Order: sequence, then structure tokens, then C-alpha cells
Amino acid sequence: GAVVSQHPSRVICKSGTSVKIECRSLDFQATTMFWYRQFPKQSLMLMATSNEGSKATYEQGVEKDKFLINHASLTLSTLTVTSAHPEDSSFYICSARVYYNEQFFGPGTRLTVL
Amino acid sequence: QKEVEQDPGPLSVPEGAIVSLNCTYSNSAFQYFMWYRQYSRKGPELLMYTYSSGNKEDGRFTAQVDKSSKYISLFIRDSQPSDSATYLCAMSAGSSNYQLIWGAGTKLIIKP
Repeated sequence: GAVVSQHPSRVICKSGTSVKIECRSLDFQATTMFWYRQFPKQSLMLMATSNEGSKATYEQGVEKDKFLINHASLTLSTLTVTSAHPEDSSFYICSARVYYNEQFFGPGTRLTVL
Repeated sequence: QKEVEQDPGPLSVPEGAIVSLNCTYSNSAFQYFMWYRQYSRKGPELLMYTYSSGNKEDGRFTAQVDKSSKYISLFIRDSQPSDSATYLCAMSAGSSNYQLIWGAGTKLIIKP
């Protein structure tokens, strides 16, 4: 299957700092990438859909200025959590669409904001 | 009512048993159906991908889609302790909308 990497796998930061998470498709080009957030023992919550070369489409309730998404190339999308606060602590996962509706996921990034 | 319903479990079965996991949905426009497996603190892994109705088999896994009943299933034969994970169903209407609609996930425990 298609391989998606995510970096870093874990990050701990102080409140007020910004954190960047990278998502890369390693062996294919992804025109569409997705960013999810997952709370413990809950399902995936879609945050935004990212298309290469265009602005991301955010889901209702997701703050665009807080969660900056950039999809500059067909193999890289980044999520920047700006001015992070403890309530932003969560598991963030990216995925890439390969053909029609199949999505392949990265391993996830665990963010802890102190 | 959620678009996709999935019992969160946990579902606990002995090793070697046949496992049946299910989801129901309300949107008749859904055409693409997927099952993902997620281990704790890891990203979901695509197990099965099915278009429209019918069965699909891959090793110990069989996916079934019954669009008339709006019901999908994943069967795991000869279950192993390593199959212990959360199983999520996901589906999409396709076309220009590639977003997946997710079930809550069923936590499966295979007892040795």
C-alpha cells in the first residue's frame, strides 16, 4: 500500500508556542490530503481537506487562523498549530487520497501542550 | 441520528473465533466502503476497500456490503491476539466529494 509519513511523532511544547507537523506521501503523489484530530477512545474528526496548490477547506468549528495548513507540493502538506494551548493537546493524523476514495494514513503526531 | 452507526464495544472473543463487525448507515448515496484497523496511538491502516454491493475477501478478512439494507460487515476468520485493535468503518459517496464519513470504531479484544 501507499506509504505516508508524519513528523514529528511526538511533540511537547509550552503554551503560546507554534508547532508544525509535516505529512509526506513517500511513494506516490497526493493531490488531496486530509488532517484529522482524534481524542482518546473517539473516532477521527476531520479538520480540513487540503488540495495541492490551493487553500485548505476547513470543517465547521475549526479555526483557520489557529490551524494553518499548507499543501505546497504533491508530496507534502503541513499543519501548524499557532499559539498552542493545553486544549489543543491531541493526536493529529494526516491522510492522503490515492485513487478514488482510498485514504492512506500517517502514523500520527501526539501533541502535548504544557 | 448519525450517518454511520457502529457499536463501540468492546467486543471480546477467544482466539480462533470468527469475528463479525458491523456498521449501518443512512445515506443511500454512499458507494465506497472501507474498513480500517487502528492500533493504540497509531494511524489507521486500510484493510478492505469495496465499491457498491457484494463481497470481497483478502486472506482471513471478508468484507460484505448490502446496500439494500444499508449494512456493511467485516468478518475475521481464525482470529489472533494480534488482531486486537479498534476497527473503523468509513464510507463515501464518491464523485467530487472525497471525504470519508466514519463510524465510531469497535474495540476488538482477542483473548489467547
